Amino acid sequence: AQRVTQPEKLLSVFKGAPVELKCNYSYSGSPELFWYVQYSRQRLQLLLRHISRESIKGFTADLNKGETSFHLKKPFAQEEDSAMYYCALSGGHGGSQGNLIFGKGTKLSVKP
Amino acid sequence: NAGVTQTPKFRVLKTGQSMTLLCAQDMNHEYMYWYRQDPGMGLRLIHYSVGEGTTAKGEVPDGYNVSRLKKQNFLLGLESAAPSQTSVYFCASSYPSGRGGRSYNEQFFGPGTRLTVL
Repeated sequence: AQRVTQPEKLLSVFKGAPVELKCNYSYSGSPELFWYVQYSRQRLQLLLRHISRESIKGFTADLNKGETSFHLKKPFAQEEDSAMYYCALSGGHGGSQGNLIFGKGTKLSVKP
Repeated sequence: NAGVTQTPKFRVLKTGQSMTLLCAQDMNHEYMYWYRQDPGMGLRLIHYSVGEGTTAKGEVPDGYNVSRLKKQNFLLGLESAAPSQTSVYFCASSYPSGRGGRSYNEQFFGPGTRLTVL
């Protein structure tokens, strides 16, 4: 079964500290992985997708197929990074093409 | 472009009442989705549509109905609201694009509708 696991409900770090939000997935084929972010009182927006191999707002994420992980990392956290982060997986095939399976989310709190 | 819009933004219902949530997108997207967001549960897919006139069930469809009469609109209906349907509802849309035979998509989300059922 397809599943996305974000083991931490809450992650609290100090400004300037490194941050890593964990994401593990279960999928039998070749998944497409995404990170979405939801700032306070705002809509969800795409932060990263593994297929683009990009860095957005200093965040990076590498797909590790051996460990079935897609952890989100940033070397120096900023207060404005405080938000809810969701890891999501897409199987990208069949009638449900494009459907995303979301993890339960990790709330990142960056303290001054 | 307005992107994805949702109406209403807030609503309070009594148990047994009915209502319809409207989602509209002006990006000419083929796919549209309805999610509910609950604390500790993340986002769960209620129903989705891969094109005008077609709908399909998601993970938690019970108690909800949807319609996609026009490409740009996706309606979510609650025929008889229950307290368990108290949630924040998000609509999203996407236009899957292909690369090298694979497909991926970015879903664009609306601002959400906060529904309370008493």
